[in-house]
Amino acid sequence: EDKVVQSPLSLVVHEGDTVTLNCSYEVTNFRSLLWYKQEKKAPTFLFMLTSSGIEKKSGRLSSILDKKELFSILNITATQTGDSAIYLCAVSKYGGATNKLIFGTGTLLAVQP
Amino acid sequence: KAGVTQTPRYLIKTRGQQVTLSCSPISGHRSVSWYQQTPGQGLQFLFEYFSETQRNKGNFPGRFSGRQFSNSRSEMNVSTLELGDSALYLCASSLRTGGGGDTQYFGPGTRLTVL
Repeated sequence: EDKVVQSPLSLVVHEGDTVTLNCSYEVTNFRSLLWYKQEKKAPTFLFMLTSSGIEKKSGRLSSILDKKELFSILNITATQTGDSAIYLCAVSKYGGATNKLIFGTGTLLAVQP
Repeated sequence: KAGVTQTPRYLIKTRGQQVTLSCSPISGHRSVSWYQQTPGQGLQFLFEYFSETQRNKGNFPGRFSGRQFSNSRSEMNVSTLELGDSALYLCASSLRTGGGGDTQYFGPGTRLTVL
């Protein structure tokens, strides 16, 4: 059965700290791994990763995929209170002509001033 | 470009009733997927529509159904509501379907509460 596991489940840090969020997966016919940020309602897209070892970066956020060890990390440097959110990891698969995503349960990040 | 819109944003129903939720995708997007989000189960895939055809369906009972119109707008229906159907229902749109290559963009969701 396909599985996506995120850790930690929750995390409390202070502004300025650096955090690393983890996502491991066990899926057949892996295609891509996506990260989303969910603050109140709509998850907003952060990154899509398809190739191992290539870091994607956007401002203070960066992410990398390891297809051999089947995991990805999301790094946030110099955290701000606005980074407080649930961070979701999802995996898509080849085949079946579908965009279905398999989600992890998320990591709840709280950044304290 | 306007994002994904969902209506209504909040709904309160009682057990046994039925409900219809609506989703309008980003202009030009033809694929619409629906997800249910609950604290215990996270986001779970309900179904996906492309060109008015259901392309994939998750492990939900037949009380959950959907459809897509020629303008790509989609509706999902839940009949005979149960307490456990209380959740945030999220709609996501992408440009096309086909093997999971497209990024999905989510709407704000409909919060359904079943009393």
